Amino acid sequence: AQSVTQLGSHVSVSEGALVLLRCNYSSSVPPYLFWYVQYPNQGLQLLLKYTTGATLVKGINGFEAEFKKSETSFHLTKPSAHMSDAAEYFCAVRGIYNQGGKLIFGQGTELSVKP
Amino acid sequence: SQTIHQWPATLVQPVGSPLSLECTVEGTSNPNLYWYRQAAGRGLQLLFYSVGIGQISSEVPQNLSASRPQDRQFILSSKKLLLSDSGFYLCAWSSGQNTGELFFGEGSRLTVL
Repeated sequence: AQSVTQLGSHVSVSEGALVLLRCNYSSSVPPYLFWYVQYPNQGLQLLLKYTTGATLVKGINGFEAEFKKSETSFHLTKPSAHMSDAAEYFCAVRGIYNQGGKLIFGQGTELSVKP
Repeated sequence: SQTIHQWPATLVQPVGSPLSLECTVEGTSNPNLYWYRQAAGRGLQLLFYSVGIGQISSEVPQNLSASRPQDRQFILSSKKLLLSDSGFYLCAWSSGQNTGELFFGEGSRLTVL
């Protein structure tokens, strides 16, 4: 079974500051990991994903995440926050032997960006 | 290119009334299909998924049901809505590859009064 914990339901940063959104996962098998972004009253959009290979993954809009197996973490970062980054962010996990391809999501972290 | 459509976008229904939310995918064949619910202040809860026509897996016991009458159509239904059914419902599809991501529709906001 898999589960995801996102530390901090709300994160606030100043424009231009580092963004760090934390995600820890639990999985009995090697995981595939995903980060999604959701703007108000919209669906989810994929930011990036880790499947195999390089553990530092780059995504859209300047975001990146690093898979750390020893820490069971997949934290999302961006060097410099922009006002347009304000949204809700979801981390998700899927076990590599998962039937049906379903993703298990964390509770989400709402990112606010102050001018 | 592939697209996913959900409707209606917004729905206000009285308690005890029926529900039908529809989702269709275009530009692909034999997708995996999913219904998630997002309640206020919570994450996404997987309700149902389908790997083929007529094949429905339910993740949680509830007042809702799902059907897949055609390859690229996924329907979420209820015979009698409860207040607790209120939420934001998201349909998604994937190619079925285990490394593949889910692609989400724009969502349907249901308010049960």
